[in-house]
Amino acid sequence: KQEVTQIPAALSVPEGENLVLNCSFTDSAIYNLQWFRQDPGKGLTSLLLIQSSQREQTSGRLNASLDKSSGRSTLYIAASQPGDSATYLCAVDNAGNMLTFGGGTRLMVKP
Amino acid sequence: DTGVSQDPRHKITKRGQNVTFRCDPISEHNRLYWYRQTLGQGPEFLTYFQNEAQLEKSRLLSDRFSAERPKGSFSTLEIQRTEQGDSAMYLCASSLSGNPEQYFGPGTRLTVT
Repeated sequence: KQEVTQIPAALSVPEGENLVLNCSFTDSAIYNLQWFRQDPGKGLTSLLLIQSSQREQTSGRLNASLDKSSGRSTLYIAASQPGDSATYLCAVDNAGNMLTFGGGTRLMVKP
Repeated sequence: DTGVSQDPRHKITKRGQNVTFRCDPISEHNRLYWYRQTLGQGPEFLTYFQNEAQLEKSRLLSDRFSAERPKGSFSTLEIQRTEQGDSAMYLCASSLSGNPEQYFGPGTRLTVT
């Protein structure tokens, strides 16, 4: 059974810092990995999707990497802003039809 | 282009009552998923439809839960005889075959008193 872990569970940084969020998974036979953002009480917004054959994806200030063999992904956020404050969720797709989520990292960016 | 919509956004019910939630996926998406998220946790998969066929169900989906997608468009999730442990955010997502990216709705927050 796939298990997804995100470290740290919470992170507080001053505005402008670059930061890295970590995601690890136990079963490396994945189809893809997605990073989501969730604001309090809201649904999920897709940030980046990395196919199993890819090593990284970039969107603006966000860069996500994938190392399938070691069961790890990282989300890099450059020049953090207070508007980046949210919970970031990592999810893996093993079977092409359902996602297994980590517990999330709650990020607070202080002005 | 409208996204995934869910109705209602909030539902408060008493223990033992039945509740039904609705999800309208992105119009051309043929796959639809239901997830449940409790406070401070990541979402957990409940069930998945391709068109009108329910192809997978989690063991989390007890006998009190039933989901339908009768015409391959909107879906409903019904919980019978609600329990306090059913209190959670119920999230719906949709995708298109051949494109793995799932798009989520705003969720329905259920509170069972």
